[in-house]
Amino acid sequence: EAGVTQFPSHSVIEKGQTVTLRCDPISGHDNLYWYRRVMGKEIKFLLHFVKESKQDESGMPNNRFLAERTGGTYSTLKVQPAELEDSGVYFCASSQVQGPLYGYTFGSGTRLTVV
Amino acid sequence: DQQVKQNSPSLSVQEGRISILNCDYTNSMFDYFLWYKKYPAEGPTFLISISSIKDKNEDGRFTVFLNKSAKHLSLHIVPSQPGDSAVYFCAASRIDDKIIFGKGTRLHILP
Repeated sequence: EAGVTQFPSHSVIEKGQTVTLRCDPISGHDNLYWYRRVMGKEIKFLLHFVKESKQDESGMPNNRFLAERTGGTYSTLKVQPAELEDSGVYFCASSQVQGPLYGYTFGSGTRLTVV
Repeated sequence: DQQVKQNSPSLSVQEGRISILNCDYTNSMFDYFLWYKKYPAEGPTFLISISSIKDKNEDGRFTVFLNKSAKHLSLHIVPSQPGDSAVYFCAASRIDDKIIFGKGTRLHILP
């Protein structure tokens, strides 16, 4: 089966610009998660979708971040306007079962650099 | 306020010897603990997990030990192989809740 796909793999934007990251989960996985890792830090939770609904968005840093999952398939994460501290690697993960029992399957991530 | 702590940023181990990666946590309500492995330019991949009701789980060369009274877990890799060189993330979760990760430990397997 195809894994979790993220696009783009890298993005370099200027402060104040807008960037949209995309994630295609494994087909049939209702649970979709966004995480972010700033260099040297922990992989930090951003939010969790169950199908098209936001189950938990407690990790979203502020209202410059907007996540959507229309139709319960792929998801987008938009950062507008981007700030320097938004730089990092954004990971998307999906799972068939909610909860940690079988772990999540992660994509390769999008490395975002804001200059 | 990190709930999952990996205090060793890096570890070097001779090929063939045992690698021991350590992790501490603060939330006694966690139900599951997991280890993920990450290669450069790739996403983390699930390695092994353990339920809070157990104290040991083994899968091939990988064994995870859980000491609930000390809020400590460790991952043992025996014997260590060159392909084990990666960043290892300790993680924890309550059932039906998100997985919380540590900062990771970079493991170098020396020839």
